[in-house]
Amino acid sequence: DAGVTQSPTHLIKTRGQQVTLRCSPKSGHDTVSWYQQALGQGPQFIFQYYEEEERQRGNFPDRFSGHQFPNYSSELNVNALLLGDSALYLCASSVGTATEAFFGQGTRLTVV
Amino acid sequence: GQQLNQSPQSMFIQEGEDVSMNCTSSSIFNTWLWYKQEPGEGPVLLIALYKAGELTSNGRLTAQFGITRKDSFLNISASIPSDVGIYFCAGQRTGANNLFFGTGTRLTVIP
Repeated sequence: DAGVTQSPTHLIKTRGQQVTLRCSPKSGHDTVSWYQQALGQGPQFIFQYYEEEERQRGNFPDRFSGHQFPNYSSELNVNALLLGDSALYLCASSVGTATEAFFGQGTRLTVV
Repeated sequence: GQQLNQSPQSMFIQEGEDVSMNCTSSSIFNTWLWYKQEPGEGPVLLIALYKAGELTSNGRLTAQFGITRKDSFLNISASIPSDVGIYFCAGQRTGANNLFFGTGTRLTVIP
């Protein structure tokens, strides 16, 4: 049974560019949340998708957007990249409103 | 944003020793989770707590949901080298779907 999978694992982008990160949830899970983890910090909540809609959003600018597909997989898009967007982006999946979230290995984004 | 403070920030212990760490908040949470993260990996769920005062074990790990609902504790007994990593607490508030994460406790086990 595959856990949460994310792609790519590493990415280098130039300031001002746009990036798309992808996530496949754990089998049987229908809810996907995205977190940003800066170096040396705990993960910070970006947003959560359920039934293909954004259910809740954290304190992140509109440059961060997402999408959930009918198969429950999800994308995170970041526009107009800033140097400060460099971080580990984590996807977590869960079932409905259940609290227990299972994380993927993350995508390490470096903005230069 | 919501701040969960973990202490200690880092620990260096001898293999076989017991470990205690805690997580405190200025706000009430209705659920506490503990995760472990190793380099280059995502956090792995260790224990989930759902009720004030609850004490839950998972092998050598024991966690407690504080009575005030503003804190939680994690103990690791008889530490082994593979316990090395960063331990994060995470809380969820009533009516919210997201987790607030703590600042992390970095554990080093010396063989």
